[in-house]
Amino acid sequence: ETGVTQSPTHLIKTRGQQVTLRCSSQSGHNTVSWYQQALGQGPQFIFQYYREEENGRGNFPPRFSGLQFPNYSSELNVNALELDDSALYLCASSDFNEQFFGPGTRLTVL
Amino acid sequence: GDSVTQMEGPVTLSEEAFLTINCTYTATGYPSLFWYVQYPGEGLQLLLKATKADDKGSNKGFEATYRKETTSFHLEKGSVQVSDSAVYFCALSDRGGTSYGKLTFGQGTILTVHP
Repeated sequence: ETGVTQSPTHLIKTRGQQVTLRCSSQSGHNTVSWYQQALGQGPQFIFQYYREEENGRGNFPPRFSGLQFPNYSSELNVNALELDDSALYLCASSDFNEQFFGPGTRLTVL
Repeated sequence: GDSVTQMEGPVTLSEEAFLTINCTYTATGYPSLFWYVQYPGEGLQLLLKATKADDKGSNKGFEATYRKETTSFHLEKGSVQVSDSAVYFCALSDRGGTSYGKLTFGQGTILTVHP
């Protein structure tokens, strides 16, 4: 079992609302990446944070934003939720040699 | 841009059968290649990886060889078990070596193994 935790486990929101998802990284890891996994699809890269700075971004609109804190934990914020934002959101904690995924947050937008 | 294509699924096998899941990729540079497994209701677990051409990754009886000439990284196992039932994802990293950059995933292959 990895030391990567995510909260909450499940979340239900309505269109137009805002949501914040949280990820605690593995001890010693300074990089966190976020992925969106729609039902029946492979994960899609949202962005990566390295030592509190954004270090790469996928093809997601600006209403997807993030933060990384000095302890290397991270938040994913999504504004103006749309129905298509319903998905499993995965964070991955890494250093140069290893990467571990968290169990994910299941977001449902109604 | 980078892309990963996996064989169409789902795959259904009997216990002790031979498994192959095909994976091909398109990438610039020299990516690292990975296979991840996702059990029902869980996150992704790294199954194996290869960081340069001709490397063979192996774990838990699964193997895959990084073939640069055919841009492939096919997953194989000689004798599957019911406990191998899961979704398998092929992925590449936009950074070579062991560093973990952006991962590009295939669409996943559902494997079901019957007793």
